[in-house]
Amino acid sequence: GAVVSQHPSRVICKSGTSVKIECRSLDFQATTMFWYRQFPKQSLMLMATSNEGSKATYEQGVEKDKFLINHASLTLSTLTVTSAHPEDSSFYICSARALAGNTDTQYFGPGTRLTVL
Amino acid sequence: AQSVTQLDSQVPVFEEAPVELRCNYSSSVSVYLFWYVQYPNQGLQLLLKYLSGSTLVKGINGFEAEFNKSQTSFHLRKPSVHISDTAEYFCAVNGGSQGNLIFGKGTKLSVKP
Repeated sequence: GAVVSQHPSRVICKSGTSVKIECRSLDFQATTMFWYRQFPKQSLMLMATSNEGSKATYEQGVEKDKFLINHASLTLSTLTVTSAHPEDSSFYICSARALAGNTDTQYFGPGTRLTVL
Repeated sequence: AQSVTQLDSQVPVFEEAPVELRCNYSSSVSVYLFWYVQYPNQGLQLLLKYLSGSTLVKGINGFEAEFNKSQTSFHLRKPSVHISDTAEYFCAVNGGSQGNLIFGKGTKLSVKP
């Protein structure tokens, strides 16, 4: 099956620093990738939709200047948390959309645990 | 707008007992439904999905779900659970025009010996 990787899997940083998270589709091309955020014991909330070669579409309430998304190629999207603060600590999960014939499936990465001190 | 309701936040069961995790949805467009499992500190793994066709969908690890349009439900079932099935289970429905998913709040399944 299709595989999506995320790097790093876990990161601890100081308040005020920026953190970049990579999401890669390893064996398929994904024109669309999604970034979700999951708070402890809660569900996944969509942050933004990342389309290759165009600007990301952010959900209401998500600061685009704080969560920078770059979808540079059909297999890579990056999320940069700028000037991170403790309230940004969360589990960030990406997914990549695979279109094949009549099927439309999302494959999820393993997630990145961000802890901001 | 689409939405998903998982009625049970926690479901404790004994090993080898049957289990049903409930999911109801609301959608104004054609429905695609999914169940994902999340083990602690891991990402999501697709258990099964309904796109069209047979309303009874079989997935991995012995799970199955039935799409019931009249009741707007997509309950997940397993006839005999194992300790290893202990995890969080998320029901999801296709969301916006970009193809994103809308998730329920999750059901924590705890299987006890």
